[in-house]
Amino acid sequence: NAGVTQTPKFQVLKTGQSMTLQCAQDMNHNSMYWYRQDPGMGLRLIYYSASEGTTDKGEVPNGYNVSRLNKREFSLRLESAAPSQTSVYFCASSATSGDRGQYFGPGTRLTVT
Amino acid sequence: GQQLNQSPQSMFIQEGEDVSMNCTSSSIFNTWLWYKQDPGEGPVLLIALYKAGELTSNGRLTAQFGITRKDSFLNISASIPSDVGIYFCAGQLGAGNMLTFGGGTRLMVKP
Repeated sequence: NAGVTQTPKFQVLKTGQSMTLQCAQDMNHNSMYWYRQDPGMGLRLIYYSASEGTTDKGEVPNGYNVSRLNKREFSLRLESAAPSQTSVYFCASSATSGDRGQYFGPGTRLTVT
Repeated sequence: GQQLNQSPQSMFIQEGEDVSMNCTSSSIFNTWLWYKQDPGEGPVLLIALYKAGELTSNGRLTAQFGITRKDSFLNISASIPSDVGIYFCAGQLGAGNMLTFGGGTRLMVKP
């Protein structure tokens, strides 16, 4: 039982490049989330998926897209990376939307130069 | 969006000391949560508080849900080196609502 897994762990992009961050959970959770973490800012919600087949914007969605591929997987795409998107990205899952028990992955550290 | 103010931003203490940190909001929450993030890892839930005035312990950790529902406190007693990390508070208005996170308190413990 791996919990929430994320790939890659580290990534460096040049401005304008695109990439997809992958997330998978094996806890049969309905809801999945993408957060970004910046120094002193805590975690800010980018997008979430309350259940398979639905996605909604969070607090900071601009510059990102998401896909809930199936119940297990929720990917985050940067179409044209910008230096302001340099951050640590965390995926999380919970049994239901807004469930207090959100389980986090280990994070992806992204640098955009 | 809503903001949670967490203080202090960082603490450097001696092993064995007690630690206190708090989180305040300009609006009310109906659930308060405390997470710990170890270096290079994702946050892990430590304590959840569901009722104003509630005091809950988890080993050496004790957290309280403020009576006004606008604040919460976390205390760590007799700190040890493995307490090092970033502690986040999070508020939730109600079931089904998203979490709002504070900026974190970075704790460093000197052996």
